[in-house]
Amino acid sequence: EVQLVESGGGLVQPGGSLRLSCTISGFTFDTYAMSWLRQAPGKGLEWVALISDDGGVTYFADSVKGRFAISRDNSENTLFLQMNYLRAEDTAIYYCAKLGNTYCDSPGCANFDFWGQGTRVTVSS
Amino acid sequence: QSVLTQPPSVSGAPGQRVTISCTGGSSNIGAGYDVHWYQQFPGTAPKLLIYGNKNRPSGVPDRISGSRSGTSASLAITGLQAEDEADYYCQSFDSSLSASVFGGGTKLTVL
Repeated sequence: EVQLVESGGGLVQPGGSLRLSCTISGFTFDTYAMSWLRQAPGKGLEWVALISDDGGVTYFADSVKGRFAISRDNSENTLFLQMNYLRAEDTAIYYCAKLGNTYCDSPGCANFDFWGQGTRVTVSS
Repeated sequence: QSVLTQPPSVSGAPGQRVTISCTGGSSNIGAGYDVHWYQQFPGTAPKLLIYGNKNRPSGVPDRISGSRSGTSASLAITGLQAEDEADYYCQSFDSSLSASVFGGGTKLTVL
């Protein structure tokens, strides 16, 4: 059974940092690109970042470029999102998601077939 | 404002057929990028419903279907059931933004 479990969310002040983790099981982690997506309270879904299966290539939404970093540890089956210079508009539930096929390693072909339960991030003073 | 446009809400009676539209432009759906659909119940993570415009993951019933034409895509649900009441999102890629993009979501109400 495929499982993705996020952790690391919480309350942080504007300008602060937070590191999210996503631990996976049930599939061969190092053969799939992975993504982070988010959903602000009462709003729709927003793609945040994507990392290739080997971690060598990353992509970001313009709204987080230069502030967020995505990484992975394939030996530990774990995906990370380092969030710096956080703003109020970053407040959301953050989901990690597995891409739907092994050959896709960029946003251009991505769909997301399994999602974690999400971790809540609140940026407020 | 979302790059992909969906109606905020649709409704139908049990047993009826409903469709949800997803309208894009020449840099996303119109450029030939695939459209995918997700179902989300309140307080839960989204679930992939349709991928590659018309393909169903295992476990998704065949009364749910997807299509794409020109700069738009559609999700159709036939034999509407109370359990279909949820939010639905379309997703594609936009080459101008170099980003995966979502529609604003459509709330389906079963009357």
